[in-house]
Amino acid sequence: GAVVSQHPSWVICKSGTSVKIECRSLDFQATTMFWYRQFPKQSLMLMATSNEGSKATYEQGVEKDKFLINHASLTLSTLTVTSAHPEDSSFYICSARDRSRGVGNQPQHFGDGTRLSIL
Amino acid sequence: AQSVTQLDSHVSVSEGTPVLLRCNYSSSYSPSLFWYVQHPNKGLQLLLKYTSAATLVKGINGFEAEFKKSETSFHLTKPSAHMSDAAEYFCVVSDLSSASKIIFGSGTRLSIRP
Repeated sequence: GAVVSQHPSWVICKSGTSVKIECRSLDFQATTMFWYRQFPKQSLMLMATSNEGSKATYEQGVEKDKFLINHASLTLSTLTVTSAHPEDSSFYICSARDRSRGVGNQPQHFGDGTRLSIL
Repeated sequence: AQSVTQLDSHVSVSEGTPVLLRCNYSSSYSPSLFWYVQHPNKGLQLLLKYTSAATLVKGINGFEAEFKKSETSFHLTKPSAHMSDAAEYFCVVSDLSSASKIIFGSGTRLSIRP
């Protein structure tokens, strides 16, 4: 089945550091990838939609300059948390859809998530 | 507009007994519905999906769900719970109006008693 690889799985860093998270579709091409944030014991919150070759679309309330998204190829999207602070600590999950199977009713395939802890 | 409601935040059952996780949806168009499972500190794994074919959908690990349009429901069931089923379960809806976005339910934590 379709596999999405997310790296790193766990990051601990000091306040003020910028952290990059990678999301790769391993066996399919993804025109669109999605970035979610999940707080403990809560559901996933969509942060942004990453579009290959164009700017990401951010959800209301998500700071574009804080969470930089780059989707440089059909298999890779990156999320950079700039100048991270303790309140940015969270579980970040990416997902992707197989572009060859069209949109609408195809499931998204999720990465295993990145646990980000800012000290 | 679309939305999804998971009626129970926590369900606890004994091992070997049936599981029922409830989900109701709202959608302006013919929806696609999914159930995902999330184990601690992990991403989401697709259990099953409904995309306007058969209303009774069979998924992995013995789970199944039935799409009932009249009740706007898509409840997840399993005849006999196993300890390994303990996890968080999310009901998800999408439709053609959502431009590829999906909407997550708030999640149901399933606990299995020995």
